[in-house]
Amino acid sequence: GIQVEQSPPDLILQEGANSTLRCNFSDSVNNLQWFHQNPWGQLINLFYIPSGTKQNGRLSATTVATERYSLLYISSSQTTDSGVYFCAGETGRRALTFGSGTRLQVQP
Amino acid sequence: NAGVMQNPRHLVRRRGQEARLRCSPMKGHSHVYWYRQLPEEGLKFMVYLQKENIIDESGMPKERFSAEFPKEGPSILRIQQVVRGDSAAYFCASQPGGDTEAFFGQGTRLTVV
Repeated sequence: GIQVEQSPPDLILQEGANSTLRCNFSDSVNNLQWFHQNPWGQLINLFYIPSGTKQNGRLSATTVATERYSLLYISSSQTTDSGVYFCAGETGRRALTFGSGTRLQVQP
Repeated sequence: NAGVMQNPRHLVRRRGQEARLRCSPMKGHSHVYWYRQLPEEGLKFMVYLQKENIIDESGMPKERFSAEFPKEGPSILRIQQVVRGDSAAYFCASQPGGDTEAFFGQGTRLTVV
């Protein structure tokens, strides 16, 4: 199966700072999603982004499918952004392969 | 349009008992996936089902674990004779078809004591 690498593994920010999270894939994926797992364990869909760029408020994402990576941008971070961010790609078997996540802590 | 519904949210079982986890997909979604998340790890694929069919169970342990998605009712993930290592969060996801956005339930947190 494919390998999904996320970086950085851990990130501590002061409130108001910006950050970029990266996701690399070892092979082509049919689609790609970003999720936020909040401190209560819920998985929240952020972006469904097989290619191109999307924006939703303070968050935006870019996927360069030909180079097998995706970036998640968080601007003006808030304490409620804390949690774990996962990227996941869908392979030929039509199931998502998840990365190990980036653990984000935003301090007031 | 209700999201993916999983129940129970929390389940405690003694070693050797059976655990039954339920998942109702979003309306109009016929593809159901089960994933397991161990503490401090990402989610790992277990099984992919469509109505009355198991499409891919390559991520599911061969023994003690089974899954079904009957014509009527929710999908069920069944773990027989649970052991401490089965303690994890089990998530269900549904999609309307392949290569489409997956939506996850809130998960069932299984604790084996």
